[in-house]
Amino acid sequence: EDQVTQSPEALRLQEGESSSLNCSYTVSGLRGLFWYRQDPGKGPEFLFTLYSAGEEKEKERLKATLTKKESFLHITAPKPEDSATYLCAATFYNFNKFYFGSGTKLNVKP
Amino acid sequence: SQTIHQWPATLVQPVGSPLSLECTVEGTSNPNLYWYRQAAGRGLQLLFYSVGIGQISSEVPQNLSASRPQDRQFILSSKKLLLSDSGFYLCAWNRGAQGAVGNEQFFGPGTRLTVL
Repeated sequence: EDQVTQSPEALRLQEGESSSLNCSYTVSGLRGLFWYRQDPGKGPEFLFTLYSAGEEKEKERLKATLTKKESFLHITAPKPEDSATYLCAATFYNFNKFYFGSGTKLNVKP
Repeated sequence: SQTIHQWPATLVQPVGSPLSLECTVEGTSNPNLYWYRQAAGRGLQLLFYSVGIGQISSEVPQNLSASRPQDRQFILSSKKLLLSDSGFYLCAWNRGAQGAVGNEQFFGPGTRLTVL
């Protein structure tokens, strides 16, 4: 059973069209929820960590939020350079072990 | 600042040949170290992680093995590669023994392995 699930698998937006990516988890005892950006052929780049429900983090056009069962990555007025795969990961009882979702591939058209 | 290195960047190997991928971290001590594999268009599969020298946890039974001969060095090996071993291999680190807070992982540039 997948511990972390991301949706949608792919998302195509027009430049300036805001949207949200979803990351849900099925195991209780969340210790940390992490968002990464991955460009083709490169390692994931760390974006945010969230620890408790209600927490929010922002960076430029990105805002990450956390509830008791899921996290959202909100993208406001995206630009073509925001095109990438966005991965989320979570740690539970063993905070050294990370569970990754399969990612959302975002394509922003000019 | 901390830096993580992986080599080689790309590798093409025949089926049945051995494998050795290396990962080193600079600028920190006693990190946790991780090996992941990523298939094309997929998420990250945790292969091994280590919380200290000589301490290896294996997550997926397969023909791969890992070793940590030094504090900031992590090696992924195989005696005989399979076609299914092809993929993008990523090494990552985070701060050890810190609990849940501040333990985000940082990734290396990856190694693209093709087994023919």
